[in-house]
Amino acid sequence: NAGVTQTPKFQVLKTGQSMTLQCAQDMNHEYMSWYRQDPGMGLRLIHYSVGAGITDQGEVPNGYNVSRSTTEDFPLRLLSAAPSQTSVYFCASSSPHRGLGNTIYFGEGSWLTVV
Amino acid sequence: RKEVEQDPGPFNVPEGATVAFNCTYSNSASQSFFWYRQDCRKEPKLLMSVYSSGNEDGRFTAQLNRASQYISLLIRDSKLSDSATYLCSGESSGAGSYQLTFGKGTKLSVIP
Repeated sequence: NAGVTQTPKFQVLKTGQSMTLQCAQDMNHEYMSWYRQDPGMGLRLIHYSVGAGITDQGEVPNGYNVSRSTTEDFPLRLLSAAPSQTSVYFCASSSPHRGLGNTIYFGEGSWLTVV
Repeated sequence: RKEVEQDPGPFNVPEGATVAFNCTYSNSASQSFFWYRQDCRKEPKLLMSVYSSGNEDGRFTAQLNRASQYISLLIRDSKLSDSATYLCSGESSGAGSYQLTFGKGTKLSVIP
């Protein structure tokens, strides 16, 4: 059972370059999200999706785009990389049941450095 | 103000000690709460869910106080392997929306 798979694990970009972080889950989860984690800042929500064709902004969406064409995939695009986007990125998925709580599964993380 | 706040620590405790973490939340609509554990350079993993009645899993006890809007995690008889960062999170959902918000994490170091 693969769970949540995100690639690449490590990436170095030059300022102004664009790239896509891939995220796929095989658990048929409706909810998928992207977080970035910086020292002293915790996990901050970038974008999320409650189902195929539906996306919404989180706390820090600027400079990032997402799409959800299928239930399984939720790629994160950096349009024009900036040094401020140097961070660790986590993709996550879950199957929320209202009022019951649920487990959120994280990918292993993508370490991105923008120089 | 961040929706979920917790003391960043670090908490340095000797083996065998009891340590408690607290976390406050500002969104009264939050419905469910969780504690996650994150090891260095790894992804967060669910430690336990938190219920109003409190719940216990071995050496770990979690408690939710809705009136005061805080959740807590108690670790008894600390082990070296408990050294990690502990994240609290709150979940809220509504018509067509859902969010899971995390605190910044509390770092625990258990010392021999």
